[in-house]
Amino acid sequence: TQLLEQSPQFLSIQEGENLTVYCNSSSVFSSLQWYRQEPGEGPVLLVTVVTGGEVKKLKRLTFQFGDARKDSSLHITAAQPGDTGLYLCAGPLDGGGADGLTFGKGTHLIIQP
Amino acid sequence: GAVVSQHPSWVICKSGTSVKIECRSLDFQATTMFWYRQFPKQSLMLMATSNEGSKATYEQGVEKDKFLINHASLTLSTLTVTSAHPEDSSFYICSARDLTGGSYNEQFFGPGTRLTVL
Repeated sequence: TQLLEQSPQFLSIQEGENLTVYCNSSSVFSSLQWYRQEPGEGPVLLVTVVTGGEVKKLKRLTFQFGDARKDSSLHITAAQPGDTGLYLCAGPLDGGGADGLTFGKGTHLIIQP
Repeated sequence: GAVVSQHPSWVICKSGTSVKIECRSLDFQATTMFWYRQFPKQSLMLMATSNEGSKATYEQGVEKDKFLINHASLTLSTLTVTSAHPEDSSFYICSARDLTGGSYNEQFFGPGTRLTVL
């Protein structure tokens, strides 16, 4: 089973600060997804990265896929209280495209006003 | 687009009873749906893959006779927790892949079902 390690597990920062969340694995993934989950709700897809070295931007969020496709990062610029939530990285369970997803343990992010 | 619904959103049942949870893709057809379980403060764990018109595929350690999955149509999969026990209390979440979207292995998740077994 391919494992995804996320860090940090918990992060509490002030509004306006920048932050980076990491998702690492010893295995190569054909793609990685980032999701955000609110308490009591299902995860919501933020982005999919497919190509090694790829960078995608979603407003103040920047996602990067490592050159070797073993890691990914999420950078938030000028964090706002609305960014508070659980951020999860996920990838195909067995490396292919037809499988369920394996998830990292998540990063609990709190942005204080 | 790519909306997935679940019903019920929460359920409380007595130990020993069975509970059925429905997962529907509202605006697309899904030949494959997935069922996940999430315990408090933990991440999602894949339980099984639901295939339309065929048997579900279960992950290691998940009892297929306890968690019955039926994928009778391209928009509906059901998970039945049979003879539920308190340790089955969890947040059950389904997902579906929209193969027409062109994106690679993206899954869209339902809002989840909170099961509490007394």
